[in-house]
Amino acid sequence: EPEVTQTPSHQVTQMGQEVILRCVPISNHLYFYWYRQILGQKVEFLVSFYNNEISEKSEIFDDQFSVERPDGSNFTLKIRSTKLEDSAMYFCASSEDRAARGEKLFFGSGTQLSVL
Amino acid sequence: AQSVAQPEDQVNVAEGNPLTVKCTYSVSGNPYLFWYVQYPNRGLQFLLKYITGDNLVKGSYGFEAEFNKSQTSFHLKKPSALVSDSALYFCAVRADSGGGNKLTFGTGTQLKVEL
Repeated sequence: EPEVTQTPSHQVTQMGQEVILRCVPISNHLYFYWYRQILGQKVEFLVSFYNNEISEKSEIFDDQFSVERPDGSNFTLKIRSTKLEDSAMYFCASSEDRAARGEKLFFGSGTQLSVL
Repeated sequence: AQSVAQPEDQVNVAEGNPLTVKCTYSVSGNPYLFWYVQYPNRGLQFLLKYITGDNLVKGSYGFEAEFNKSQTSFHLKKPSALVSDSALYFCAVRADSGGGNKLTFGTGTQLKVEL
């Protein structure tokens, strides 16, 4: 089965530093997402992206966060100035069809971000 | 706002016994309901979904789930558990219209199947 790939698997950074998390969605998918999971808590929606623009974002996704699809294959999440509370597992996901709400999401293995 | 509740942090079952992992949801309109499983160091993998039609849906690895509209529940079941089913299970909901397109997850239930 095709896979969503994420790099790196672990990222350690100092508070205040910028980080970029990278994802390669499944090639024919059109709709992309970032979710995060703080240890022991629920998987939380951050942002969805379609047709080179943000479709929807949560309250968590503030001005410190941005997403980009720089080259038609990668999908990145940037955190401009990391805070301790940004420490979490970040999951990228993609789906084939934006319009079909019954469409399942394919998830990557995640990037564990640790902010020190 | 849509939400999912998974009341059990952990479920322990003996191999060969039936298992149930509980999920209730809240959503405006009709729900689209999903179960995902997460094995250690892996991403979430799709197990099954309910969109419409038969309330009992069958998915991967012998799992099934029953949609109950009156109880707003979507419990995951398997008739005979395997040790290899041990993993973290997430229930998720999406509204069929309005309210954006995001999938909202529960907190997850750790399933432990022992010999």
